[in-house]
Amino acid sequence: AQSVSQHNHHVILSEAASLELGCNYSYGGTVNLFWYVQYPGQHLQLLLKYFSGDPLVKGIKGFEAEFIKSKFSFNLRKPSVQWSDTAEYFCAVPLRGKLIFGQGTELSVKP
Amino acid sequence: GAGVSQSPRYKVAKRGQDVALRCDPISGHVSLFWYQQALGQGPEFLTYFQNEAQLDKSGLPSDRFFAERPEGSVSTLKIQRTQQEDSAVYLCASSLGVPAGGRSYNSPLHFGNGTRLTVT
Repeated sequence: AQSVSQHNHHVILSEAASLELGCNYSYGGTVNLFWYVQYPGQHLQLLLKYFSGDPLVKGIKGFEAEFIKSKFSFNLRKPSVQWSDTAEYFCAVPLRGKLIFGQGTELSVKP
Repeated sequence: GAGVSQSPRYKVAKRGQDVALRCDPISGHVSLFWYQQALGQGPEFLTYFQNEAQLDKSGLPSDRFFAERPEGSVSTLKIQRTQQEDSAVYLCASSLGVPAGGRSYNSPLHFGNGTRLTVT
């Protein structure tokens, strides 16, 4: 079945540590890719997206993601996390007109 | 500006009761989606409306689930004879455009805060 998988369920980091959250999707071809973030008590919001072109995508708040077609991956990165990055992060891929989400990664940043 | 509004924020229902969850999308948004998010999981697609037309209901888990958007704006998700496994957060999302189909998706989704349903 076509799916999106996120490797880490819960990641705990100290402030200023580097972050990389894994995302893999199970099908090839042309694909749009998204990362959404949900801060505590808030709604899901778009962090960044890849449609085409440069596989390194810059998003809000210093986040970036790299699309590696050969690895079917779209990992999220940030060089130096802050306490305010504590949130749940979801990778998503569209399929037949709807977004399919991964199971999410909860990030806890310790001050 | 106003975002997607969902009500109620929390709903507790006894098993067997019917519930109705409301979604007010962003004004002018053509597309409206409902998702179900169980604890510790990502959102799972339930159904999609383009204006008042329900174009995809492939994610509705049973015939106890029913959604409508009669005038192409506000939408209601109704669950009849609730069961404990229906306990989840129900998310509504809207977008200005329509999905291009396949794997193309140019119109960003705007999500509401969700309704947390607990069935006891």
